[in-house]
Amino acid sequence: SQTIHQWPATLVQPVGSPLSLECTVEGTSNPNLYWYRQAAGRGLQLLFYSVGIGQISSEVPQNLSASRPQDRQFILSSKKLLLSDSGFYLCAWSGDNSGANVLTFGAGSRLTVL
Amino acid sequence: DQQVKQNSPSLSVQEGRISILNCDYTNSMFDYFLWYKKYPAEGPTFLISISSIKDKNEDGRFTVFLNKSAKHLSLHIVPSQPGDSAVYFCAVTYYGGSQGNLIFGKGTKLSVKP
Repeated sequence: SQTIHQWPATLVQPVGSPLSLECTVEGTSNPNLYWYRQAAGRGLQLLFYSVGIGQISSEVPQNLSASRPQDRQFILSSKKLLLSDSGFYLCAWSGDNSGANVLTFGAGSRLTVL
Repeated sequence: DQQVKQNSPSLSVQEGRISILNCDYTNSMFDYFLWYKKYPAEGPTFLISISSIKDKNEDGRFTVFLNKSAKHLSLHIVPSQPGDSAVYFCAVTYYGGSQGNLIFGKGTKLSVKP
């Protein structure tokens, strides 16, 4: 069966510090991978998605970047965090190309920028 | 401008009664509609979906209704149980769009009281 792992679960970072969140998927190959953010009181905002190694699409201009160095690995990064980067970050994968695009989410990473 | 709206941020229901969660969308090109359930500090989990060619889909206690003329989607939970207490997100997608084409509403927090 497929599983998705995301870490760290929680982190507190000072403004201006770097960020690296990692996500890996097991039990599938060539998944579509996604990074979402849920800010306080808001819905789920798509940040990045990837359909293959090295292929990254960005949905919103921001202080963050994403990379996919391996087929089942997706990394979210920042060189210098802003206060507004605080939120709950979710990695997800999909192997559903039928149209419904059902996503399976990781457990999330709570980022607090102080 | 929001393409997917969940106008009720919260809903409280007595155990055993029906819970009705609503969602409105703007684009008639959307062709799949999904509901996700999210517990605090966890990733959302897929609940149920419906294709635009249908008007009803049922899975156990969960039924999703689609009214295309009104661009309205609803999720019925019968009977409601305390374990159903969570945030529910509706999401829409359209075939032929990019793989990042899943658009979420802001969520409705359901509280089921014993």
